[in-house]
Amino acid sequence: EDQVTQSPEALRLQEGESSSLNCSYTVSGLRGLFWYRQDPGKGPEFLFTLYSAGEEKEKERLKATLTKKESFLHITAPKPEDSATYLCAVLPNTGNQFYFGTGTSLTVIP
Amino acid sequence: DAGVIQSPRHEVTEMGQEVTLRCKPISGHDYLFWYRQTMMRGLELLIYFNNNVPIDDSGMPEDRFSAKMPNASFSTLKIQPSEPRDSAVYFCASTSASSNQPQHFGDGTRLSIL
Repeated sequence: EDQVTQSPEALRLQEGESSSLNCSYTVSGLRGLFWYRQDPGKGPEFLFTLYSAGEEKEKERLKATLTKKESFLHITAPKPEDSATYLCAVLPNTGNQFYFGTGTSLTVIP
Repeated sequence: DAGVIQSPRHEVTEMGQEVTLRCKPISGHDYLFWYRQTMMRGLELLIYFNNNVPIDDSGMPEDRFSAKMPNASFSTLKIQPSEPRDSAVYFCASTSASSNQPQHFGDGTRLSIL
């Protein structure tokens, strides 16, 4: 069964304190892994797509990496405006349904 | 470019009333998804369409829920009769299946059933 697990559920960081969020997945075959950011009262906003193990994508203070079993979202020197819930989703080889994790709620304290 | 547009943004109604949520997908996208989000269960897929045809409605919780997509630019999710446990945020998302594109979400409808 296709499954996505994110950890930790919540993370509090001091401004400038780097850390990583984890997304572990089980799929029969991976077509793509997607990272989203969700702010309160808004819909998830697309950040990155990763397609194959070893691939990396960067955007400002965020870097996403992918292995055959998991993905990490590394946050370098975070700022308070990085506070949000980060969701990952996988798209298996079969079908067109995305499977979402339950997210990591990130709070960056000034 | 216009994103996915949902209406209303907020809906408060009494138990037993009919509720209709609306979605306009991004032009050119051929897939449309309806999700429900709660603190307890996260994002749950309710139903998705391809080229206006329902493909998988296994996530629709009960017969009280129905969804339609009469054309490529409009979809509705209807709850009749509504119950307090239907209170949640409902999201619509669209994508193009080509090149494994990400789903793009609207800002949701926050539904409260009293």
